[in-house]
Amino acid sequence: NAGVTQTPKFQVLKTGQSMTLQCAQDMNHEYMSWYRQDPGMGLRLIHYSVGAGITDQGEVPNGYNVSRSTTEDFPLRLLSAAPSQTSVYFCASSPGSGRPSSYEQYFGPGTRLTVT
Amino acid sequence: LAKTTQPISMDSYEGQEVNITCSHNNIATNDYITWYQQFPSQGPRFIIQGYKTKVTNEVASLFIPADRKSSTLSLPRVSLSDTAVYYCLVGDVNYGGATNKLIFGTGTLLAVQP
Repeated sequence: NAGVTQTPKFQVLKTGQSMTLQCAQDMNHEYMSWYRQDPGMGLRLIHYSVGAGITDQGEVPNGYNVSRSTTEDFPLRLLSAAPSQTSVYFCASSPGSGRPSSYEQYFGPGTRLTVT
Repeated sequence: LAKTTQPISMDSYEGQEVNITCSHNNIATNDYITWYQQFPSQGPRFIIQGYKTKVTNEVASLFIPADRKSSTLSLPRVSLSDTAVYYCLVGDVNYGGATNKLIFGTGTLLAVQP
């Protein structure tokens, strides 16, 4: 298993540009989440999904869209990039609801995004 | 969502036992307690989870008192490679129940010195 994969690893955008960060997992996990981590800070939840076709907002959803058309993929779209969105973005997945193992999230390697 | 409070940083020396305490006064009945470890430039890695009393695995132990308002992550005989940020999370991931969100705080930076 590749686990959780993210592309690209690095990205530089100009203010106002849009782009999609890709996330895929091959563990058949129900839950997937997107976090951002600013320098010296903890992770903040952007959006999450509890299954294909179901998404919800986290702590800091503004400026981002998500969709979950398949179990495997959970892309994050930046609609109009702003310098405040410069951060490291992590995607995570976990098995699903109702089981203790739901709490064990598997994280991808991250995407470092710079918006100028 | 239960808010968690951890020390911002801790220092230790190689070979010592390290205990990191997390306060979660508003923990709900269905909430579990989970700890993660994060090295620089990497995503967090699951360490251990528990509901009550004591849980032990090959990496750490988790102590949870009867009132569950706090928890303590215990790392035996730390080495330099244990230098990382440790996060305490409290939440309930049962879909359709309470909350599906697991919120990371700012964590505790553990610095292990030789």
